[in-house]
Amino acid sequence: KAGVTQTPRYLIKTRGQQVTLSCSPISGHRSVSWYQQTPGQGLQFLFEYFSETQRNKGNFPGRFSGRQFSNSRSEMNVSTLELGDSALYLCASSLSGSSTDTQYFGPGTRLTVL
Amino acid sequence: LAKTTQPISMDSYEGQEVNITCSHNNIATNDYITWYQQFPSQGPRFIIQGYKTKVTNEVASLFIPADRKSSTLSLPRVSLSDTAVYYCLVGSILTGGGNKLTFGTGTQLKVEL
Repeated sequence: KAGVTQTPRYLIKTRGQQVTLSCSPISGHRSVSWYQQTPGQGLQFLFEYFSETQRNKGNFPGRFSGRQFSNSRSEMNVSTLELGDSALYLCASSLSGSSTDTQYFGPGTRLTVL
Repeated sequence: LAKTTQPISMDSYEGQEVNITCSHNNIATNDYITWYQQFPSQGPRFIIQGYKTKVTNEVASLFIPADRKSSTLSLPRVSLSDTAVYYCLVGSILTGGGNKLTFGTGTQLKVEL
C-alpha cells in the first residue's frame, strides 16, 4: 500500500506570495491532518480534515487554510507569506482520526520564504 | 490537553537497551500514549501505542504504570540507525471528534559504536 505523498517536496517563495501544498493520504484513510515543524516551535498542529470538512484547527492565523476533496486528498494554502512561515509542512493521514488511530506522516514539504 | 515532558537528549552504544521516560501528569481517562520516531527532514514514524500496563511489538516495548502519569519506551539492542528524535504524545480527543497530536520537544537519541 502506498504511503502518504506530499508535493512538492521543496518550495522557495518570496514574502507576500501565496503557496499551495498538496497531500495524498493512504488509500482508504479519511482523516488528513497538517502540521508545521520549525526548529524554534517544534511540531505544531495546523488543522484536520475529515470527509471534506475541517474538524479541528490549531492556533494559526487565517492566512493558513486548507481543504479536502471527495477522494480525501487535501491541500493547504498559505497566503501573504512571511519569513517565519519557512518550515517543514507535514501531512498525516489516518482511517478516522480517532486517538487510537495510527497517524501516518508523509515526507513533508520544505518551504523556504525569502 | 496533556503536556508531556521528556529528556532533551540521550546517548547510547550499539547493542544496548535504551529506555526513554516521558511524564504526562495531566493525562485524561480516555487518552492513549503514543510514541513516534523522526529522522531529519522526514515525517514522524509511528512506533508504538498503549493505554496501560505493557505493550510490545517487533521494534519496542511500552511500559505504563497504573497511575498512567508516565510511560517508558524501551528499545532493545539499539543500532546506529536508531539515532533519531523520539516523541511521546498523548492523544487528545476533541469535542468534534478527531484527534490533534500535541508534540513536545522530543528526545534526541544518539547511538554510537
